[in-house]
Amino acid sequence: DADVTQTPRNRITKTGKRIMLECSQTKGHDRMYWYRQDPGLGLRLIYYSFDVKDINKGEISDGYSVSRQAQAKFSLSLESAIPNQTALYFCALMATVSQFTYEQYFGPGTRLTVT
Amino acid sequence: AQSVTQLGSHVSVSEGALVLLRCNYSSSVPPYLFWYVQYPNQGLQLLLKYTSAATLVKGINGFEAEFKKSETSFHLTKPSAHMSDAAEYFCAVSSSGGYQKVTFGTGTKLQVIP
Repeated sequence: DADVTQTPRNRITKTGKRIMLECSQTKGHDRMYWYRQDPGLGLRLIYYSFDVKDINKGEISDGYSVSRQAQAKFSLSLESAIPNQTALYFCALMATVSQFTYEQYFGPGTRLTVT
Repeated sequence: AQSVTQLGSHVSVSEGALVLLRCNYSSSVPPYLFWYVQYPNQGLQLLLKYTSAATLVKGINGFEAEFKKSETSFHLTKPSAHMSDAAEYFCAVSSSGGYQKVTFGTGTKLQVIP
């Protein structure tokens, strides 16, 4: 969905390097998420943020950090990349459709390879 | 705590046959349930969602799912498979009441045989 953009779309990096994946949105939604996708494991939540001052760890946050620079931007960093962080990374946002209904929209993904 | 289990990591059907993808959920509070589709080299797209209204939910591309509380299931069906339905499908659960963390299943890859 064009409302969520991710950069870069593909990245190859070496073990030990620091890398940042960026996510931005144009719709002004508060809730943003980072997931990683691995074959056979589905999507697993890394971090999520309900606003600029509210950042929470997901189920697999070790080795990752995030920054919510503004409502529209949510960046994921790998402080020292390792090969098992090779995966497809998705940023998502949660849009409130009505009082009790909401939907999650995903960015196009970043394919990260750590050699 | 919440979780979903998708039965079958790979499902093959013939073109024109019924598609049935199984999902069972676990949630300590009334759940919201979702099905997403991922086409090759693309992100996830919402197919349909259950948010405590009608138990039979219709989505895009002719898919539908039925929420069965007694069976804790939310299976996805389509009466007649098309070649274009070949993709990976994810079931997901979120707790209602405003806490909006979504837990995904491990996915089911659907193959459609001509």
